[in-house]
Amino acid sequence: AQTVTQSQPEMSVQEAETVTLSCTYDTSESDYYLFWYKQPPSRQMILVIRQEAYKQQNATENRFSVNFQKAAKSFSLKISDSQLGDAAMYFCAYNYGGSQGNLIFGKGTKLSVKP
Amino acid sequence: EPEVTQTPSHQVTQMGQEVILRCVPISNHLYFYWYRQILGQKVEFLVSFYNNEISEKSEIFDDQFSVERPDGSNFTLKIRSTKLEDSAMYFCASSVWGGYYGYTFGSGTRLTVV
Repeated sequence: AQTVTQSQPEMSVQEAETVTLSCTYDTSESDYYLFWYKQPPSRQMILVIRQEAYKQQNATENRFSVNFQKAAKSFSLKISDSQLGDAAMYFCAYNYGGSQGNLIFGKGTKLSVKP
Repeated sequence: EPEVTQTPSHQVTQMGQEVILRCVPISNHLYFYWYRQILGQKVEFLVSFYNNEISEKSEIFDDQFSVERPDGSNFTLKIRSTKLEDSAMYFCASSVWGGYYGYTFGSGTRLTVV
């Protein structure tokens, strides 16, 4: 069965600094998709970034980038120039690639940003 | 930017009562989902819906749960006889291409069963 593990329940970063959130997953599939979602206090789930497993190039979205290590089954999120608005729960999620496949979420990492 | 709309934002119901949670997915999306998040826990998949039928469901989605797309715009989740453990945040999501590109989630309905 596929699983997603986020080993850091909480992280803290100083404003303008860089922070990396960890995620590992377990799968026997070769083609799949990985995501990071942000959940601010409003509780809405917001897609931050997406990675296709067959692409070796790491995805980047403005200040957000990933370090995708397929062999190690690792998918970390790096937030550069952290802003107060980045404070939220961050969930790593896996989809095995089926068009109707569901997302499997990790337990989340609560990120605090200190001014 | 198009949004997935969920109503109500918060519902309180008595144990044993039926509840219907409503969602309006993005209009050109074809795949629809319900997820739930018990407070402080991970987000869990309930059901996916495509072409007017359930395509996949989890163990959580037992006979107490049902989904419907009654009029081509709304997508509803019904819980027939609520239990205390059904208290959670329920998220509706929709997608154009299914799981490939991630989903757009709604803001959620907080269900409290008393």
